[in-house]
Amino acid sequence: SQKIEQNSEALNIQEGKTATLTCNYTNYSPAYLQWYRQDPGRGPVFLLLIRENEKEKRKERLKVTFDTTLKQSLFHITASQPADSATYLCALIKGSQGNLIFGKGTKLSVKP
Amino acid sequence: EPEVTQTPSHQVTQMGQEVILRCVPISNHLYFYWYRQILGQKVEFLVSFYNNEISEKSEIFDDQFSVERPDGSNFTLKIRSTKLEDSAMYFCASTYSPGGDSPLHFGNGTRLTVT
Repeated sequence: SQKIEQNSEALNIQEGKTATLTCNYTNYSPAYLQWYRQDPGRGPVFLLLIRENEKEKRKERLKVTFDTTLKQSLFHITASQPADSATYLCALIKGSQGNLIFGKGTKLSVKP
Repeated sequence: EPEVTQTPSHQVTQMGQEVILRCVPISNHLYFYWYRQILGQKVEFLVSFYNNEISEKSEIFDDQFSVERPDGSNFTLKIRSTKLEDSAMYFCASTYSPGGDSPLHFGNGTRLTVT
């Protein structure tokens, strides 16, 4: 069956450093991969998506890479701030109706 | 920016009772979804809905569950005869196009507590 794994349940870093989060998937060949942010008690909020033919995508301090050979995506937040503290979810589309399969997420804590 | 809204934000019910969770998707969106998240676990797909019918459902979405779009704006999830294990956050989502290059827009959820 298809699996998405986000290797770290939690990541603690110092303000100003770069946070790097990992998403691995198996038994799957997605055309797109999406990243969402989830704050406690709130719904996921879309951040970035990357296509299989794109190696890298950037948006402000965010960068996503997609390696279809390794079946892995990396999500980077540069110059991290305490406001970046949240759970970050990796997601893939399953089927033709846009149904997302989510990873369990990595909880990022940025300390001042 | 348009939002997906969900009501109520918190629902407490007794085991065996029926609950209806309500959602107003973004107005020009055509595809609607329900997801749930049990405390400390991943966000799980329940059902997708398009053109007034279910387009896909997961194994979780059994006969206890039903969805409806009773009018042009609301999208509801009904849970009949609730069980303790139905306690979770339920998220509604919508999108204009279901391709992988179109993100889902989520509401802030209804926290369902079954006692």
